[in-house]
Amino acid sequence: NAGVTQTPKFRVLKTGQSMTLLCAQDMNHEYMYWYRQDPGMGLRLIHYSVGEGTTAKGEVPDGYNVSRLKKQNFLLGLESAAPSQTSVYFCASRTGSSYNEQFFGPGTRLTVL
Amino acid sequence: AQSVTQLDSQVPVFEEAPVELRCNYSSSVSVYLFWYVQYPNQGLQLLLKYLSGSTLVKGINGFEAEFNKSQTSFHLRKPSVHISDTAEYFCALSMNTGFQKLVFGTGTRLLVSP
Repeated sequence: NAGVTQTPKFRVLKTGQSMTLLCAQDMNHEYMYWYRQDPGMGLRLIHYSVGEGTTAKGEVPDGYNVSRLKKQNFLLGLESAAPSQTSVYFCASRTGSSYNEQFFGPGTRLTVL
Repeated sequence: AQSVTQLDSQVPVFEEAPVELRCNYSSSVSVYLFWYVQYPNQGLQLLLKYLSGSTLVKGINGFEAEFNKSQTSFHLRKPSVHISDTAEYFCALSMNTGFQKLVFGTGTRLLVSP
């Protein structure tokens, strides 16, 4: 089991460029999440998905889009990157059981110049 | 709305000393509580969780936490720390109904020195 993997690990973008972050999990989890981590702010939820073909907004969704075409993959897109999106992005997944133990990927460090 | 407060942004300790990382939460409904650890340049790993029952919860790597409903606290403790415990620790909660979104505190960096 690879668990939760994220691609790429690092990326540098220029303002206005677009990119897609890929999250993959091999644990057959129903729920998947995208968070961003910024210094002194903990982790904040961007978007989440409760199953294949479904997505929903979290607390900081502006400037991001997501898709969950396959159960094992959750994609995070930045259509027009801004310096405010410089952050570390974490993907997580969990089963649909009654408590919320989430399994996290290793993160993607994104810098927008 | 729910919130989590971690009062200390950084806690320096010497190796083999005891440590307590503080976490207070606010919620008008019952919650689940979690502690996650993040080692440098890695993702988050679950240390322990409180769902219900015994208020003293034991986790991995010798850590434990005590749920105190009257003080709305969930402090993390370890009786003797090791250099390898140097990491960032996040307290988090989720409601025990519905979508169960995780709400994180801002983190406490534990610095263990020889």
